[in-house]
Amino acid sequence: AQRVTQPEKLLSVFKGAPVELKCNYSYSGSPELFWYVQYSRQRLQLLLRHISRESIKGFTADLNKGETSFHLKKPFAQEEDSAMYYCALRDSGGYQKVTFGIGTKLQVIP
Amino acid sequence: DTGVSQDPRHKITKRGQNVTFRCDPISEHNRLYWYRQTLGQGPEFLTYFQNEAQLEKSRLLSDRFSAERPKGSFSTLEIQRTEQGDSAMYLCASSSRLTGRAGNTIYFGEGSWLTVV
Repeated sequence: AQRVTQPEKLLSVFKGAPVELKCNYSYSGSPELFWYVQYSRQRLQLLLRHISRESIKGFTADLNKGETSFHLKKPFAQEEDSAMYYCALRDSGGYQKVTFGIGTKLQVIP
Repeated sequence: DTGVSQDPRHKITKRGQNVTFRCDPISEHNRLYWYRQTLGQGPEFLTYFQNEAQLEKSRLLSDRFSAERPKGSFSTLEIQRTEQGDSAMYLCASSSRLTGRAGNTIYFGEGSWLTVV
C-alpha cells in the first residue's frame, strides 16, 4: 500500500527565512512524487514533480530514496508562499492512482 | 476557461436524498479521477477512469456511491441515500498521456461542496 506522511499541519516562518516542508512516503515500487499547492480560494495545482528536477517559484524538492523522503525547500520565504501544500505519490504501476498527504499549511509572517 | 469544470459547486441536501455531481475534464484528457476531501485532510482517492473504463475503486466508495463516464468524456458521481458523513468536497481531476512537464500532470477542478443536513 502507498502512504504519504506530512508530519506538520502548520508551519509558520518569517518572511525571508528558509522553509522546509517535510514529506515521507512508503511504497513498495518505484514512486513518482509531487508537490501540489492550494492558494486561498484557488484550485489545487501542481507545484513540482521529482522527475523534472526543476525549481518552481524558488521551491525545490529532492527525492531521497534511502530516507523515503521528498521534502520541499525554499531558501527565502515570501508572503505569497502562504498556502496549503500537499505531497503526493503516484502509483507507477498501471492504474496511476495518486495518494495525497494531509497537507501542511504554510504561513509566512511579514 | 478550458480547465476541469464541476457542477454544481455547492449542494445542500437532506439526509436520505440522492445527489449527482458532474465533471467535465480538460478536452482530450483520457484519464479522470474523483477524490473526496474533508476539512483538515488531503484529497482521498475514490475512483479512476481511463477513457470510459473504471479501472480502480477505493474501498471508501461504498455501494451507495457510483461513478460513470459513459462516452469517455464527462463523468458523473452519484451518491444515493446520503448520510451526514458524506459531507465533503468532491474533487474531479483529469490527466493525459502527453510527454514532457504536462505529461501525466493531474489538473483539478474547483470541487463540489456537499452538505448533508
